[in-house]
Amino acid sequence: QTVVTQEPSLTVSPRGTVTLTCASSTGTVTSECYPNWFQQKPGQAPRALIYSTSNKHSWTPARFSGSLLGGKAALTLSGVQPEDEAEYHCLLKCGGDWVFGGGTKLTVL
Amino acid sequence: VRLVESGGGVVQPGKSLRLSCAASGFTFSNYGMDWVRQAPGKGLEWVAAIWYDGRKTFLGDAVKGRFTISRDNSKNILYLQMNSLTAEDTGVYYCARDSPVGQWPNEVFDIWGQGTMVIVSS
Repeated sequence: QTVVTQEPSLTVSPRGTVTLTCASSTGTVTSECYPNWFQQKPGQAPRALIYSTSNKHSWTPARFSGSLLGGKAALTLSGVQPEDEAEYHCLLKCGGDWVFGGGTKLTVL
Repeated sequence: VRLVESGGGVVQPGKSLRLSCAASGFTFSNYGMDWVRQAPGKGLEWVAAIWYDGRKTFLGDAVKGRFTISRDNSKNILYLQMNSLTAEDTGVYYCARDSPVGQWPNEVFDIWGQGTMVIVSS
């Protein structure tokens, strides 16, 4: 059973930069794990941000970017806005089924 | 482009429930579809997926043998038949759009419904 691990919580200042990571118990996360990132605010459905490591959807703000970093998938927010406070979920498919991480609660303070 | 889930509710352990997801605003028969659930206060869990034409389905380990995913492309509806329900199945169930046919894994899970709540309790 694959386990995907994210930071439980992070705090960032407005206009700052923060990187969230996503690790797999199967080993190094590569582009063949097709990393996806989602944003979810309380009481709302998840909203897709990034697919296949670094590709943005048409609605994804430019300040969000995806990459591979140190064997993990990463989501970087540059110039954080107050409305970016939310839960962020990563999703991987490293050879098996799709597996979500536990989520990172991002606080903008 | 819209997905609207329905069919959730309160059900006793061991009973069954069928969820529906009505799609509109896009050519439903051109897309794979998925179900994802979220237990109260917990993270997301992928549940099931189905090819655009229904010929192939995939189920997560937690629901294998109990749940069935299907679709009716003539009605633009996705289904999740849930049998032998337990308290661990409690949560919000979302349907999500997968990739367009022939373009996997581009733009997987791009569109989500608002979810339907399932509570398994005696």
